[in-house]
Amino acid sequence: GAVVSQHPSWVICKSGTSVKIECRSLDFQATTMFWYRQFPKQSLMLMATSNEGSKATYEQGVEKDKFLINHASLTLSTLTVTSAHPEDSSFYICSASFWEESTDTQYFGPGTRLTVL
Amino acid sequence: GQNIDQPTEMTATEGAIVQINCTYQTSGFNGLFWYQQHAGEAPTFLSYNVLDGLEEKGRFSSFLSRSKGYSYLLLKELQMKDSASYLCAAGGYSTLTFGKGTMLLVSP
Repeated sequence: GAVVSQHPSWVICKSGTSVKIECRSLDFQATTMFWYRQFPKQSLMLMATSNEGSKATYEQGVEKDKFLINHASLTLSTLTVTSAHPEDSSFYICSASFWEESTDTQYFGPGTRLTVL
Repeated sequence: GQNIDQPTEMTATEGAIVQINCTYQTSGFNGLFWYQQHAGEAPTFLSYNVLDGLEEKGRFSSFLSRSKGYSYLLLKELQMKDSASYLCAAGGYSTLTFGKGTMLLVSP
């Protein structure tokens, strides 16, 4: 159990376009999903925490109007990178919380590699 | 806030044992997680400690001392496929703060 999928696996887009990334919990319901970004050889950086049916909570320095998050159901959260620029090129990873053995464990999707030309 | 320290990289040989240390300074600490991340891939969950002591899971074990703000991940009978980055993460209220990861290189 606790499988998280992400789509697409990779995307190349032109500067100024918008890209939508989907994150799904396949075999469990996730009240909370998280979006991370990771640049090469750097640590995972939390961008936002997404709760089903409410507005996402963004980390300091993350522009909420640029990175739109929608958590419409207990199994799906989406991240839209609006007006993407080359500096947005990164590895975007989502995770979903799964309650097991008295703890809330985050399971990660496989990630989406975004390249903005 | 959270501050997590772990070594940047370590090397070991196949079949050996390696210990990756992690120290943390946190507010609202709920537990300590270890993840493995291969290059170009997302992290995969390895272990979780909330109480002091050692948790064993096959070749991997994880230890926690809450009073010392210290954890370690122990990998036994190292295999080449264990070459990866190992991330220590402190769990707060529903969030995780990750360390920068320890790159482990296993050589023949």
